[in-house]
Order: sequence, then structure tokens, then C-alpha cells
Amino acid sequence: NAGVMQNPRHLVRRRGQEARLRCSPMKGHSHVYWYRQLPEEGLKFMVYLQKENIIDESGMPKERFSAEFPKEGPSILRIQQVVRGDSAAYFCASSPRRTDTYEQYFGPGTRLTVT
Amino acid sequence: DAKTTQPNSMESNEEEPVHLPCNHSTISGTDYIHWYRQLPSQGPEYVIHGLTSNVNNRMASLAIAEDRKSSTLILHRATLRDAAVYYCILISLMNRDDKIIFGKGTRLHILP
Repeated sequence: NAGVMQNPRHLVRRRGQEARLRCSPMKGHSHVYWYRQLPEEGLKFMVYLQKENIIDESGMPKERFSAEFPKEGPSILRIQQVVRGDSAAYFCASSPRRTDTYEQYFGPGTRLTVT
Repeated sequence: DAKTTQPNSMESNEEEPVHLPCNHSTISGTDYIHWYRQLPSQGPEYVIHGLTSNVNNRMASLAIAEDRKSSTLILHRATLRDAAVYYCILISLMNRDDKIIFGKGTRLHILP
């Protein structure tokens, strides 16, 4: 069973460009979470999605950031008009459903560098 | 979410046991104690979780105080590959929010 897959692993964008980060959850998982880790800082929750629905986006910046998890295909985190402060590692996690273990499975991350 | 307190960093020698402490004095009855770790340049990975009783799995053991206000993650025989940041996290099943709130964790250094 393949783990959570994220691509690209490394992404370089110039200021003002768009960044698209993709996350394929583990097979059978319908819950996806995105987290951001700024350099030398901890992981911060951004958004929680189920298929075709945003459940909690309380950690998403109000502008330029959006996320989706369509019925078919991977979850996408989209950052428009990137700025240097967006440079970070973005991690996606998935889980099958609410269970008593509440274990999230994390992908390897996408490291975004804005030049 | 109830908060946890962990030492910023710890050191241990290779092949020796490691005890990573976590204080959670405001834990509620429905909070599960979870541990995740993040190896360098990787995403976090689940280590272990428990509610009241001590727990063992292939990665580690979790010792939970009787009053549940503290817990200890035990790595029985540390290897260099165990060098990571270890996060102690409380997750309530009564909370409809499913996000994980990561603190600063404990950075574990393993000395060869």
C-alpha cells in the first residue's frame, strides 16, 4: 500500500508566480490535511478537506491560498502570486476516517522556494 | 486544545534507552495522548498513542502517569536513526476539529 504521495518534492517559483502542490492520499483515505512548516519553526495546520468539501480552513491565509480535494484526483494546494514569505515545506497528511486511533499519515512534503 | 510541555532538546547515547517526558496537567478525560516524530527533511510519522494504560508497540512504549498529567515516551534502545523531533500531542475525540496542533517538541540527539 503506497503511502501519501506529494509532488513535486521541490518547487522553485519567482515572486508573483503561482505554485500548485499536489497530494495523493493513501488508498481508501478520504480525509486530507495540509500543514506548513516555515524554516526553523514548527508545523502549522492550514486546511482539512474531505472529498469535494472543505471542513476546516481556519489555518489558511485569507488571501492567495486555496485548496481543493475533487471527487477524482489528488488534493491541490494553490498559492497565487507567491511571495518570499511563502517559502516553506508543505506537508499533506491523510486519514481514513475518524477512528479511536486518529492517526494521520504524512507525505514527504513539498519544499517551496520563492526567489 | 489542552497544552503539552516538553523539554526543547535531549541527548542520549546510541544503544541506550531514552525517556522523553511530556507534561499535560490540563488534560481532560477524553484526551488521547499521541506521539509523533519528525526525522530530518521528512514528514511527521505516528509513533504511539494511549488513553490511560501503558502501551507498547514495535517502535516505542508509552508510560502514562496514574493521574494522566504526564507521560513518557520510551525508546528502549536508541539508534542514530531515532534522531528526530518528538511531539507529544493531545487529541480529544469530543472535538469535531480533526487538525493536529503541533508544539515545539523535543529535539532528540543521539550520540554515537
